[in-house]
Amino acid sequence: DTGVSQDPRHKITKRGQNVTFRCDPISEHNRLYWYRQTLGQGPEFLTYFQNEAQLEKSRLLSDRFSAERPKGSFSTLEIQRTEQGDSAMYLCASRQSGEQFFGPGTRLTVL
Amino acid sequence: DQQVKQNSPSLSVQEGRISILNCDYTNSMFDYFLWYKKYPAEGPTFLISISSIKDKNEDGRFTVFLNKSAKHLSLHIVPSQPGDSAVYFCAASRSGSRLTFGEGTQLTVNP
Repeated sequence: DTGVSQDPRHKITKRGQNVTFRCDPISEHNRLYWYRQTLGQGPEFLTYFQNEAQLEKSRLLSDRFSAERPKGSFSTLEIQRTEQGDSAMYLCASRQSGEQFFGPGTRLTVL
Repeated sequence: DQQVKQNSPSLSVQEGRISILNCDYTNSMFDYFLWYKKYPAEGPTFLISISSIKDKNEDGRFTVFLNKSAKHLSLHIVPSQPGDSAVYFCAASRSGSRLTFGEGTQLTVNP
């Protein structure tokens, strides 16, 4: 399967714990995006990488959130000291040109 | 500030008839528009897109219409099939950057 993959697909954690998600984009895509989707809403932009450079961050990305894309390949999104409001679907997308292709998402539940 | 709006949370049509999903936007800097389809527990799947230099784009049963003066776009699906039942998201971007999504419309196609 040469699509965008995300791991894990589901994560349940207790409030205050740290979590890390991984995204593997389509191999030739140099642009990678993270979005967050809550129930009843469309995905909301979090951050964007072109190769290894993080070029844009949304104001939604508080200082508890950090994203990396070492060597311009896979990316990780870490949330420190999780809060119940962080419960959402975290989506990764990649593109070379034209449309963005999305992964299946990681469903985070913070208890 | 909701820059992309889908005012109909749900739409129900009979199999074989036309489905029309609507989307309005406020940011005149958007120059690329997309429709995505989403099933539960999956990431959005790209359907069709249109550049602001066009007013229509067609791909099989799917046609997207863009009315720049009204800042309105629509997705026509004809004929509608039960497998088309899903949540449809309208999205917009500026110069191929991050996507701004609407809230989504749940389409149900009844056999």
